[in-house]
Amino acid sequence: EDKVVQSPLSLVVHEGDTVTLNCSYEVTNFRSLLWYKQEKKAPTFLFMLTSSGIEKKSGRLSSILDKKELFSILNITATQTGDSAIYLCAASNAGGTSYGKLTFGQGTILTVHP
Amino acid sequence: DTEVTQTPKHLVMGMTNKKSLKCEQHMGHRAMYWYKQKAKKPPELMFVYSYEKLSINESVPSRFSPECPNSSLLNLHLHALQPEDSALYLCASSQGHLGRWNYGYTFGSGTRLTVV
Repeated sequence: EDKVVQSPLSLVVHEGDTVTLNCSYEVTNFRSLLWYKQEKKAPTFLFMLTSSGIEKKSGRLSSILDKKELFSILNITATQTGDSAIYLCAASNAGGTSYGKLTFGQGTILTVHP
Repeated sequence: DTEVTQTPKHLVMGMTNKKSLKCEQHMGHRAMYWYKQKAKKPPELMFVYSYEKLSINESVPSRFSPECPNSSLLNLHLHALQPEDSALYLCASSQGHLGRWNYGYTFGSGTRLTVV
């Protein structure tokens, strides 16, 4: 059975801190690892990682994938209160030739205090 | 247009009602998905449509009935639901090409369903 595990499950920090969120996966026919941020509604896309060792960056957020060790990390530097959210990691597999199936981790609840 | 639009945003229905959730995208994506998300839990896959054909049904009870009338629309028909079916229902789409799949997903904003 496909499995994605995130850690920690929750994290409380103060503004300006740097956080690292972890995601490990065991997925058959793995294709890519996706990170999402979810506040009150739908998950919003952050990163999609397909290749090992290539860091993706967007502002204060960055992420990297290790396909040998089957994990990914999401880093957030200089955290702000607006970063408070649930961060979801999902692994996609090739369920078919024209679609994929996402298996989500439990999520990490990040709370950033002023 | 780079969005997935879901309607309604909120729905309250009784256990004997019949209602439908709607999802629409105009990005030319050929794979569309329904996910169910309970509070403080990750989304769980319900159905996958690929090229308007049902490709995955994750053992979802028959009181949930999906329909894909065309490549831009995805419906979820609801009948005789139970209170435990109350959740956020998310639609997503992804670009699909035979033999090559673009793995980027776009989620809609969801329908928050309450069954009373």
